Amino acid sequence: SQQGEEDPQALSIQEGENATMNCSYKTSINNLQWYRQNSGRGLVHLILIRSNEREKHSGRLRVTLDTSKKSSSLLITASRAADTASYFCATVSSGNTGKLIFGQGTTLQVKP
Amino acid sequence: EPEVTQTPSHQVTQMGQEVILRCVPISNHLYFYWYRQILGQKVEFLVSFYNNEISEKSEIFDDQFSVERPDGSNFTLKIRSTKLEDSAMYFCASRSRAEKLFFGSGTQLSVL
Repeated sequence: SQQGEEDPQALSIQEGENATMNCSYKTSINNLQWYRQNSGRGLVHLILIRSNEREKHSGRLRVTLDTSKKSSSLLITASRAADTASYFCATVSSGNTGKLIFGQGTTLQVKP
Repeated sequence: EPEVTQTPSHQVTQMGQEVILRCVPISNHLYFYWYRQILGQKVEFLVSFYNNEISEKSEIFDDQFSVERPDGSNFTLKIRSTKLEDSAMYFCASRSRAEKLFFGSGTQLSVL
């Protein structure tokens, strides 16, 4: 089944603005993670939020999780040109091997 | 900072040929994964490996695929008889007991 569908698929903003990306999923989860991918490169872990948490912060990143709606959002505040990348949510279900199921991703472009 | 390394970065092969993609996970990690990403699509789970055996595999990971951890450091993905649709970026990932995955930079496989 599909998991981790994200919107928008693409987002273009000016440097200094905030960027919000949303993710929805279908099955119950143990945790949800956000990863960043620069063009043609590997994925880099940004932040993890557990199913019993509602909000988490890390530097300019803020993640929320609403398990009743099976959705999460990633907010990047005061964006920089260097934040230009693709951002993926990924879910981990309970009782499995810790595998991540990725969403389609949001491509963020931050214009200087 | 320790990192997952993958070789080669690019691999071109003829349809029907065997390919081996190589990965060196982070040294004290216990769980190992292969993912793939077809151009413009989401990152897809292939297989997870723990305690010297496959712990989970996806529908994509059919009899043409195999994984090995031949020694204490390498983790390989073999595709026995490549097909055109195997063309993708293949990512290796590893983790410790924590849920965060560390990804390599990937091997771009092109099947002609």
